[in-house]
Amino acid sequence: QVQLVQSGAEVKKPGSSVKVSCKASGGTFSSYALNWVRQAPGQGLEWMGGIIPIFPATNYAQKFQDRVTITADESTATAYMELRSLRSEDTAVYYCARYPGSGTFNWYFDLWGRGTLVTVSS
Amino acid sequence: EIVLTQSPAALSLSPGERATLSCGASQTLSSNYLAWYQQRPGLAPRLLIYDASTRATGVPDRFSGSGFATDFTLTISRLEPEDFAVYYCQQYGDSLSFGGGTKVEIK
Repeated sequence: QVQLVQSGAEVKKPGSSVKVSCKASGGTFSSYALNWVRQAPGQGLEWMGGIIPIFPATNYAQKFQDRVTITADESTATAYMELRSLRSEDTAVYYCARYPGSGTFNWYFDLWGRGTLVTVSS
Repeated sequence: EIVLTQSPAALSLSPGERATLSCGASQTLSSNYLAWYQQRPGLAPRLLIYDASTRATGVPDRFSGSGFATDFTLTISRLEPEDFAVYYCQQYGDSLSFGGGTKVEIK
């Protein structure tokens, strides 16, 4: 059974970057779309973007277009999300989430990682 | 960008009661591309419904989704203790966005 295993919590300074990983274990990788969704403390869910590793093709939310890069390494079945120019408002739990297909950008998410807490503080 | 508005923000009910949650879209959703998720405290969201009315694998049949165009509903026919959680709708017809959530709490 496929699981999405995320990297551990991070503490970063304002203005720096963070790179969070998401490894798909126990199943295929390339035929799905992997996405990143964040949740600030006590707040709702916010989609950042995603990647279809088999092409590869990416799709980003307009809000994050200039600050985020999502990549995938098929050899290790791992997706990455790098967020640059961090500010305190980026403090959140970052989830990777899978769409069970690869044909379009119309994505819902049937499998989620446990989340990675990123804290931005001076 | 399509904005999703969920109502009510919070719902106080007792186990065994019926819960009706609403999600309104600022524009018509193509192909009824709407999903519902449940999130319990400290956990990742869990997919309940996709394509407005299709239950995800393993989801109990007390959960049902309905609606089309701009108005969608998640119904929980009889609340179980584990159903008290926050519920989010998400559209994926035009980019992707989430609603603000409805908290279902124990009365």
